[in-house]
Amino acid sequence: AQKITQTQPGMFVQEKEAVTLDCTYDTSDPSYGLFWYKQPSSGEMIFLIYQGSYDQQNATEGRYSLNFQKARKSANLVISASQLGDSAMYFCAMREPETSGSRLTFGEGTQLTVNP
Amino acid sequence: DAGITQSPRHKVTETGTPVTLRCHQTENHRYMYWYRQDPGHGLRLIHYSYGVKDTDKGEVSDGYSVSRSKTEDFLLTLESATSSQTSVYFCAISGGQGRTNTGELFFGEGSRLTVL
Repeated sequence: AQKITQTQPGMFVQEKEAVTLDCTYDTSDPSYGLFWYKQPSSGEMIFLIYQGSYDQQNATEGRYSLNFQKARKSANLVISASQLGDSAMYFCAMREPETSGSRLTFGEGTQLTVNP
Repeated sequence: DAGITQSPRHKVTETGTPVTLRCHQTENHRYMYWYRQDPGHGLRLIHYSYGVKDTDKGEVSDGYSVSRSKTEDFLLTLESATSSQTSVYFCAISGGQGRTNTGELFFGEGSRLTVL
């Protein structure tokens, strides 16, 4: 079974600084996908970034980048130049094969607070 | 934004009563999912569907049933609600994996259920 671990229940960062949110995963499938979602206090789930297991380069989307270290089975999210609006819960997730419905398994989340 | 709506958005009910949550999509996506979100647990999969009348259990399926009679609708039923089923329920949809599809999930806005 797939497993996602987020070891940081809460993180604090100063505005304009960078922050790294940790995520490790465990799977025996050679093909998988890794996702990060943001959930602000309003409750909606917002897709941030995706990394495929065969992708050679780390994914980037604006201020978000995914530090993918396959051998270590880690997929950390890096947010550069933090903004107050980045304060939210962040979830790491892993996609199962299509034979298992392409479902996502989520970590428990990290609550990020950006201080002015 | 993916066309996905959940109803009702809020519901308070009593222990032992049946409850049905509805998820409706306008994207013609193959896969639909029901997750529940509880503090300290992230999002956990209840049931999912990979086509009309094709459903399967997730990791926390006890006490829940689902039905999908049309591509666009996925119903989650609590036959006899219990206080442990107080939670926020999210429906999600996905077009699955492929050349241009990452398997990203698009989420509804959530349904907050309180069982007294």
